[in-house]
Amino acid sequence: ETGVTQTPRHLVMGMTNKKSLKCEQHLGHNAMYWYKQSAKKPLELMFVYSLEERVENNSVPSRFSPECPNSSHLFLHLHTLQPEDSALYLCASSQELMGGETQYFGPGTRLLVL
Amino acid sequence: GQNIDQPTEMTATEGAIVQINCTYQTSGFNGLFWYQQHAGEAPTFLSYNVLDGLEEKGRFSSFLSRSKGYSYLLLKELQMKDSASYLCAVRDDKIIFGKGTRLHILP
Repeated sequence: ETGVTQTPRHLVMGMTNKKSLKCEQHLGHNAMYWYKQSAKKPLELMFVYSLEERVENNSVPSRFSPECPNSSHLFLHLHTLQPEDSALYLCASSQELMGGETQYFGPGTRLLVL
Repeated sequence: GQNIDQPTEMTATEGAIVQINCTYQTSGFNGLFWYQQHAGEAPTFLSYNVLDGLEEKGRFSSFLSRSKGYSYLLLKELQMKDSASYLCAVRDDKIIFGKGTRLHILP
């Protein structure tokens, strides 16, 4: 299943760098999500977009800035991150936002902040 | 508060049956999901339960009891490729994931 792609797959950045993560879904879905997965912690929902509008922001620090230019693309802009932000960042999409919609995940970007 | 509990690790033998339990306490309930995640890979959808009872899908079955805040994932005829983490997730107004159960399959 390559319906959801993410680039880059791996990223190493310093605390003063600015970088962006990209997610693209080829499934015609209307909802897209950013998750953070740290070691020994549950998946944490960061942002939710529905029809290109942000509908959820789960108290994420401002050093993470999402952008959804259209229903197929989702970005996560990173600026002045901290070492504790090192994690796997997963993008997902679903047909609609509510109910039992299955979320399809991308392969993730493994981020290391030095 | 919101909480999802599942065992951290389990071990089972190839060809056997294993049951992975999940208990949840959430303010609302709009369905429970099970995902499989192999090491270094993205989670993939396994099952969705919104009504009480058992949903069977091949070697995998998922059970839900809303009154008990309880679900389990049953894996039959275990294969080595079933070695993975299994994530329980509950949707109320948003989706909340458990920490996952790492399943080890022994030959």
